[in-house]
Order: sequence, then structure tokens, then C-alpha cells
Amino acid sequence: GQQLNQSPQSMFIQEGEDVSMNCTSSSIFNTWLWYKQDPGEGPVLLIALYKAGELTSNGRLTAQFGITRKDSFLNISASIPSDVGIYFCAGRYNTDKLIFGTGTRLQVFP
Amino acid sequence: DVKVTQSSRYLVKRTGEKVFLECVQDMDHENMFWYRQDPGLGLRLIYFSYDVKMKEKGDIPEGYSVSREKKERFSLILESASTNQTSMYLCASTYQGAAYEQYFGPGTRLTVT
Repeated sequence: GQQLNQSPQSMFIQEGEDVSMNCTSSSIFNTWLWYKQDPGEGPVLLIALYKAGELTSNGRLTAQFGITRKDSFLNISASIPSDVGIYFCAGRYNTDKLIFGTGTRLQVFP
Repeated sequence: DVKVTQSSRYLVKRTGEKVFLECVQDMDHENMFWYRQDPGLGLRLIYFSYDVKMKEKGDIPEGYSVSREKKERFSLILESASTNQTSMYLCASTYQGAAYEQYFGPGTRLTVT
């Protein structure tokens, strides 16, 4: 099955630093989504993007729908300890199914 | 408040056992999904259902079957568990046509010994 390439695989950063991660696909998508999974829990939706070039923020999080429709980016500004977790991108094209990325594991040190 | 529950958080089974994983949602969602999560592989779709008694194979259906007798309940069945089915299993649900709002359960960590 199709999978999205997500990078980096893991990040170890200091509290207060900014974080960037991205997702690329060989296919175009109509919707890009970013989820966060806390340890021991299921993923929770952070941001949804519906249009190429769209830039959307949710607090300290900002995500962009790439202009080619084949990529997306997530930035976290001024990281805090509760940002720890696994971040997943997901793409959707004209079906009710999502294709998920491989995940970026984020660790934040005080 | 939106709720997807899974029958067990942790499960240990022996090779060859038949295993049932249950998922229940209280949001009247039409679509329900079963995913498997493994390190470095992300979430991979096993099966999904868009209505009662309807099911469709996802990307990795081999070794699994599903049952949806009621709208709120979607079961994943491992007919004969094998060690390579040791994984985290996640259930999700959504309204039809709103795949982006997939609500996930807390997951079941299954270990097959």
C-alpha cells in the first residue's frame, strides 16, 4: 500500500526551540492532515488543510499544504515539554481513506 | 464528548489462538477503520467498514477478518494469531465524506508469544 515519506524520523530538541517536519508523496492529495499521538494514546487531529498553498495555524502550530499538492509541512514554535509525542501526517484523495506517514518522534528536553 | 473505546489496552495471546479486538463508538459514525501501528511504518489500514455488514480490505488484510453487525461496533479478528501480528492496533471512526475527522481509540497493544 501507498505510504507517505515523513522526515525526520525523530528529533531531540531543547525546550523553547522551534521544530520543523515534513511529508512528501509521489501522488497528489486533496487534503493534508496532521495528527499527534501522546504516549499510550490514539492520534488526535491537530490541523487539516484543504487547498494547495494553504497555511493554517493552531496556537504554536503552523502547517502548510504544498503548492504541488504532493507535500506538507508542520512547524512548532517555542516547544514545551507537552509537545512530546509522535506526529503523523496523513493525506486523502477523493476517498474516505487516509494514507498515513511513518511518523516523527519528538522529544523535548528542559 | 466524542468517544471511541477499545475493549483492551493490553493483550497477551499465544500463537494459534483466535483473538477478538472490539471497538465501539458513540458518535453514530458510518465509517469505522482498523489500523496497525508499527515503529517506522506509521499507521497501516487493515480493514474498514462504511456501513453495517459492509467491509473493505485495506492495505494489509492478510491474517485478519472483521465483523460489523451493529453501527457502533467494529470487531477485528485474528483467526490464528502469529508472532508477526504483535503490534499496536488502533480503531477509528468518522462520518461518511469526512475522512479528515477520524477519531481514534486509545489502542490495544497485542503481544503474541
